[in-house]
Amino acid sequence: SQTIHQWPATLVQPVGSPLSLECTVEGTSNPNLYWYRQAAGRGLQLLFYSVGIGQISSEVPQNLSASRPQDRQFILSSKKLLLSDSGFYLCAGPREGANVLTFGAGSRLTVL
Amino acid sequence: SQQGEEDPQALSIQEGENATMNCSYKTSINNLQWYRQNSGRGLVHLILIRSNEREKHSGRLRVTLDTSKKSSSLLITASRAADTASYFCATDGGGNTPLVFGKGTRLSVIA
Repeated sequence: SQTIHQWPATLVQPVGSPLSLECTVEGTSNPNLYWYRQAAGRGLQLLFYSVGIGQISSEVPQNLSASRPQDRQFILSSKKLLLSDSGFYLCAGPREGANVLTFGAGSRLTVL
Repeated sequence: SQQGEEDPQALSIQEGENATMNCSYKTSINNLQWYRQNSGRGLVHLILIRSNEREKHSGRLRVTLDTSKKSSSLLITASRAADTASYFCATDGGGNTPLVFGKGTRLSVIA
């Protein structure tokens, strides 16, 4: 079965600092991978998705970027964080053979 | 863009009661899914209903889908305190398009 690992689980960063959130996948190959952001008390906003190495689709213009350096690795980055980047970031990938998502445990980012 | 919209935003019930959450969406779908999220955790898939299905059951969960009204409902019967969580619907437009999630319903089951 597929497992999504995310780290760090919690991060407190000052405005203007860089960001790197990592997501790795076990139990499947060549998965579609997704980064979602969840603001406090709100739904999930799709940020990026990737169908393969080096292939990134961006859903919303923003201060963030994503990269897929390896088949099972998906990274969310920022060069300079804004206060509005605070939130709960979730990485997800599909279960084998279905467009049903398995989620990681999330990374909570607080920008001060 | 946000496709599914859940209703109500929050729901508080007593243990043993049934909880009903609704989801409306705007465009055609291949299937609709419901997920659960415990506070501060990732989402967990609960149930999927295809566009040609009208009702589906899984344990204490019952999902209905009305494609003519573009709506779905999730019923949790005989609720337990452990059912306290946020519940999200997600629409699958088919092909390789990503799922689109609603804003969720926050369910509190009081023991």
